[in-house]
Amino acid sequence: EAEVAQSPRYKITEKSQAVAFWCDPISGHATLYWYRQILGQGPELLVQFQDESVVDDSQLPKDRFSAERLKGVDSTLKIQPAELGDSAMYLCASSLSGAGDTGELFFGEGSRLTVL
Amino acid sequence: RKEVEQDPGPFNVPEGATVAFNCTYSNSASQSFFWYRQDCRKEPKLLMSVYSSGNEDGRFTAQLNRASQYISLLIRDSKLSDSATYLCVVIPFMGRRALTFGSGTRLQVQP
Repeated sequence: EAEVAQSPRYKITEKSQAVAFWCDPISGHATLYWYRQILGQGPELLVQFQDESVVDDSQLPKDRFSAERLKGVDSTLKIQPAELGDSAMYLCASSLSGAGDTGELFFGEGSRLTVL
Repeated sequence: RKEVEQDPGPFNVPEGATVAFNCTYSNSASQSFFWYRQDCRKEPKLLMSVYSSGNEDGRFTAQLNRASQYISLLIRDSKLSDSATYLCVVIPFMGRRALTFGSGTRLQVQP
């Protein structure tokens, strides 16, 4: 079982509805990432936090996606409104400092979203 | 052009075979390189780092060719348990430190 906790594991929603995913990283990990993985593709970075600050959200579709990490610990990713193309696995990962130091990200088991 | 490109496979090999995957990256300023492994419906996990001098870990060997901008992974004496998707990963440049993943190469080792 992954040490990074994510919920819910599965979410089915209708398009135009709002969805939210929660992530609790490994204790003490300053850097938190949200990735999206479409079936058959590699994970794609949506947003990176260093403590409570956003470091990189250049790939986040800001018209419908938002992410926050208010106290620099757990994080929430929200989609409103959901679209059919948002169906994917949403993976949260954390690292002690920047990933560049060791290249090791610790991923949660993911939240699988299906938009009908 | 994608930042990281991989042959999606699948590579179907018998147990005991040697198999090699290549990956190309587009940004010559890329800093660091890794291979991750992802089992079916599981999260990715770090397999190994890739150094300019090459890196070996048991049956796995990773190499980097900066001039040609490609990374390779060699698996010797394949086991059934090696069946997975292998993701090539780079850190594109200093200004963007997050890992960029390729689409993965699927390996199926058959008995």
